[in-house]
Amino acid sequence: ILNVEQSPQSLHVQEGDSTNFTCSFPSSNFYALHWYRWETAKSPEALFVMTLNGDEKKKGRISATLNTKEGYSYLYIKGSQPEDSATYLCGSAGAGGTSYGKLTFGQGTILTVHP
Amino acid sequence: DSGVTQTPKHLITATGQRVTLRCSPRSGDLSVYWYQQSLDQGLQFLIQYYNGEERAKGNILERFSAQQFPDLHSELNLSSLELGDSALYFCASSVGQASGYTFGSGTRLTVV
Repeated sequence: ILNVEQSPQSLHVQEGDSTNFTCSFPSSNFYALHWYRWETAKSPEALFVMTLNGDEKKKGRISATLNTKEGYSYLYIKGSQPEDSATYLCGSAGAGGTSYGKLTFGQGTILTVHP
Repeated sequence: DSGVTQTPKHLITATGQRVTLRCSPRSGDLSVYWYQQSLDQGLQFLIQYYNGEERAKGNILERFSAQQFPDLHSELNLSSLELGDSALYFCASSVGQASGYTFGSGTRLTVV
């Protein structure tokens, strides 16, 4: 993996469904993995920053896991609500060399939760 | 209000012109990052400053330059503007790389 890739591109779920998205990133020279929530007409808002392999973070109904050895992170939303509708971005930051200081974002997963 | 202030919010200018976008980071944050979001593109990293010094550079065009001043505010200068430079330009700030970024509301630049 040379870039940060997110899947799926978009997702439609019903209120109450649980869902998850994937972020794949370069596993070499890894420093940190960020997740952001981006609502339409607003700015991206930080959800989690993870640095250690096996990290798990939780905020309310949203949680995330990190596997730095294989270069992926999952974001889970339990019991989706219409207000969870947003684009979820992940970004990977490198530890050194040309990657240092750069948080490279994926294209995002657009989540729509239908009432 | 996220604490990161970007001005102006909107800017319309002609091709060939030069503009300056301004960003004031959240109080206490030493790092400032600039990102560009063009139509149908994700957030593209342009440049990072830390406490007045350039720390990292992305795919920033030579026509673009930036600086961070002693009071930590940052300016992104875009010159010889082309139609393709039309985009939303975000500034973000953070305490460090392992901290979440706080984004400003963006400057929407339209080049006509």
